[in-house]
Amino acid sequence: QVQLVESGGGVAKPGGSLTLSCAASGFPFGDYYMSWVRQTPGKGLELISFISGSSATIFYADSVKGRFTISRVNAKNSIYLQMNNLRAEDTAVYHCARGEEWDLRWFDPWGQGTLVIVSS
Amino acid sequence: EIVLAQSPATLSLSPGERATLSCRASQSVGSSLAWYQQKPDQAPRLLIYDASNRAIGIPARFSGSGSGTDFTLTISSLQPEDFAIYYCQQRSVWPPSLTFGGGTKVEI
Repeated sequence: QVQLVESGGGVAKPGGSLTLSCAASGFPFGDYYMSWVRQTPGKGLELISFISGSSATIFYADSVKGRFTISRVNAKNSIYLQMNNLRAEDTAVYHCARGEEWDLRWFDPWGQGTLVIVSS
Repeated sequence: EIVLAQSPATLSLSPGERATLSCRASQSVGSSLAWYQQKPDQAPRLLIYDASNRAIGIPARFSGSGSGTDFTLTISSLQPEDFAIYYCQQRSVWPPSLTFGGGTKVEI
């Protein structure tokens, strides 16, 4: 079955860095848009980045632009999120989610998420 | 950015009752609207896409309707496993935007 498993969350200091990973299985990974969506009790759900199957199309939300970098390695069925210059407001559960083969209009499925805490 | 307003924030119902959840967009999104269900400590699950199409494996008691700015998710007869938080999400081509609503909690 289609499965997404995130890893790499943890505690980081303001200004620090973390790298999240998402391992996918059960579908032709290289054909699909993939994304990172974060969730907080206060701000709810926020799409922060997505990447097309070929990596030709990449998007970042303004809130993370210039600090976060999304990438993928199709041979490893994985996407990554390099997070630099972390801020307290980046504290959230980060979900990996699959889009569609040629677009990103909805997310199905989602991974369970990995918790990132930014605190001194 | 297109803002989605969900109402009510909380819906208190009993098993067997009908649930009607609303999602209103600040400008037209056509039919590019999806609904998700999230239970505690679980990932969101896609229920409805393109406003009215059920995702694979979603029971027929879930239905979506609407277009433009006003959308509705209806659960025809609540089952115990349906008590959860429901989110709507839009994708607009112009202006380019993808946002989520704040959620409606369906509780007993």
